Amino acid sequence: NAGVMQNPRHLVRRRGQEARLRCSPMKGHSHVYWYRQLPEEGLKFMVYLQKENIIDESGMPKERFSAEFPKEGPSILRIQQVVRGDSAAYFCASSPPGVGTDTQYFGPGTRLTVL
Amino acid sequence: QKEVEQDPGPLSVPEGAIVSLNCTYSNSAFQYFMWYRQYSRKGPELLMYTYSSGNKEDGRFTAQVDKSSKYISLFIRDSQPSDSATYLCAMKDGSEKLVFGKGTKLTVNP
Repeated sequence: NAGVMQNPRHLVRRRGQEARLRCSPMKGHSHVYWYRQLPEEGLKFMVYLQKENIIDESGMPKERFSAEFPKEGPSILRIQQVVRGDSAAYFCASSPPGVGTDTQYFGPGTRLTVL
Repeated sequence: QKEVEQDPGPLSVPEGAIVSLNCTYSNSAFQYFMWYRQYSRKGPELLMYTYSSGNKEDGRFTAQVDKSSKYISLFIRDSQPSDSATYLCAMKDGSEKLVFGKGTKLTVNP
């Protein structure tokens, strides 16, 4: 049973470009979460999605960042007009359908470097 | 005051030592407590998951939660070089949002 998959593993962008990060949850999981880990910082929650719905985006920056989890295909975290401060590791996690108590399983992360 | 405080270390111990890792928190609404292990440049791996106060044991790992003191601990017995990693505490209230500590970097020396 494959775990959470993320691609690309490494992404380099120049300032002003767009970054698209993809996440495929574990089989049978319908809840997806995105976290960001800045250097020397802990993971910070960004957004929680279910299929075709954004449930909680309280951790998303107000501008340039968006996320989706379509009916078919992976979840996408999109960062428009990237800046150097966006350089970080972005982790996706998933959990099975259910109420509140299930644990989140993390993918290997995408390391974004903005030049 | 941060919601979750965790000493970043680094912590260096000899092989076979007992390791104690700790987090404190300020939000009394937290009910679920987790410990993750993260190897360098990898994703966090769930080690322990506990709900409410008390102890939970799994092999060489013991998780403790003291809600009255807002304090959680992870003990590693008979530590091994393969335990060298960063350990992250995480917690949540009834929502799905995990709040993490900064992580403690542990090195177990052979």
